[in-house]
Amino acid sequence: NAGVTQTPKFQVLKTGQSMTLQCAQDMNHNSMYWYRQDPGMGLRLIYYSASEGTTDKGEVPNGYNVSRLNKREFSLRLESAAPSQTSVYFCATTTEGLEQYFGPGTRLTVT
Amino acid sequence: RKEVEQDPGPFNVPEGATVAFNCTYSNSASQSFFWYRQDCRKEPKLLMSVYSSGNEDGRFTAQLNRASQYISLLIRDSKLSDSATYLCVVNSYNQGGKLIFGQGTELSVKP
Repeated sequence: NAGVTQTPKFQVLKTGQSMTLQCAQDMNHNSMYWYRQDPGMGLRLIYYSASEGTTDKGEVPNGYNVSRLNKREFSLRLESAAPSQTSVYFCATTTEGLEQYFGPGTRLTVT
Repeated sequence: RKEVEQDPGPFNVPEGATVAFNCTYSNSASQSFFWYRQDCRKEPKLLMSVYSSGNEDGRFTAQLNRASQYISLLIRDSKLSDSATYLCVVNSYNQGGKLIFGQGTELSVKP
């Protein structure tokens, strides 16, 4: 089992460009999450999905959109990238007991 | 006041030392508690859940003090491979499946 996979691993964008970060899990979990991690800021929740067909905003949703395509996949879209969105993005899933499993991350640089 | 607070460290200790990390949380309704480990530039990984009666996993011991709203992690006989950032994580009943992450405490174990 791959667990949680994310693509791409690295990405460089120019200001104003758009892109979608992909996340997939084969753990059959209902809940999926997107976080960003910045130096000195810790992990901050962008959006989460408690189940297929539902999404909710987290702590820092501005500038992002999400799609829960099916139980396995949860994508994060940046419509118009800004330098402030330079970060490491992690996708995660959660068991019923709230144990969270993370993907390897996407390192995004916006110039 | 942050919802979850940790001493950022870094903690620099020699191999074989015992080191303790503390974490405080602000929401008395919090129900689930975890310690995660994050290696440099990698995703966080679940180290252990923290139970009310305290629990041990090999060299690692976790304790919960609900009255004082703090969680601790004790690492005995430190190994070089224990060098990482340790994240305290809390869930609150009124926040559904969302987890709140502390900023992490960096540990460096030296030969």
